Amino acid sequence: GQNIDQPTEMTATEGAIVQINCTYQTSGFNGLFWYQQHAGEAPTFLSYNVLDGLEEKGRFSSFLSRSKGYSYLLLKELQMKDSASYLCAALDSNYQLIWGAGTKLIIKP
Amino acid sequence: GAVVSQHPSRVICKSGTSVKIECRSLDFQATTMFWYRQFPKQSLMLMATSNEGSKATYEQGVEKDKFLINHASLTLSTLTVTSAHPEDSSFYICSAKTGGEGETQYFGPGTRLLVL
Repeated sequence: GQNIDQPTEMTATEGAIVQINCTYQTSGFNGLFWYQQHAGEAPTFLSYNVLDGLEEKGRFSSFLSRSKGYSYLLLKELQMKDSASYLCAALDSNYQLIWGAGTKLIIKP
Repeated sequence: GAVVSQHPSRVICKSGTSVKIECRSLDFQATTMFWYRQFPKQSLMLMATSNEGSKATYEQGVEKDKFLINHASLTLSTLTVTSAHPEDSSFYICSAKTGGEGETQYFGPGTRLLVL
């Protein structure tokens, strides 16, 4: 079956760095997305990786290893507003998005 | 760019009534729109995929006669929850993409439905 695994919850300190991991098992693979979702709001797009390696976008970076079925989202210089859920989603061979349950990130002062 | 709007943002209705939710792509033409449902503290659950001018494709377990989807134009899709019941109370979110395989989905702000 198809499956996305990511930690349920993580806690980090304001100003620090946090890495949110995601492993995936899908029938075929056409890329991996990260979305941010604040409580009570819809997800917003953060990144898309389809090739191996690191994509940097400001304070956020996303990494992909297709051979390992693994991705991570790296958040630097954490701010209180980064407290949110981070959703990992993989695109399978039918270009359907398979969603993870999300990682709730709690930022402490 | 890639802004998606949803209306209404919040609706409270009585059991047995029907509720229509609109999803619009404001600055792009969306060949494909998706409807999701999300219960508290759970991940997104895809309900259906709709392509402009054709019938929606529903996910397994989603009743097509209860959740009517109409994608009448390249910028508008509607979801009608017919004969709503309290168990239909949820956060309904639409997303849209411009077309082509692997295109990023952009989400609307969501509609919170409460059925009394």
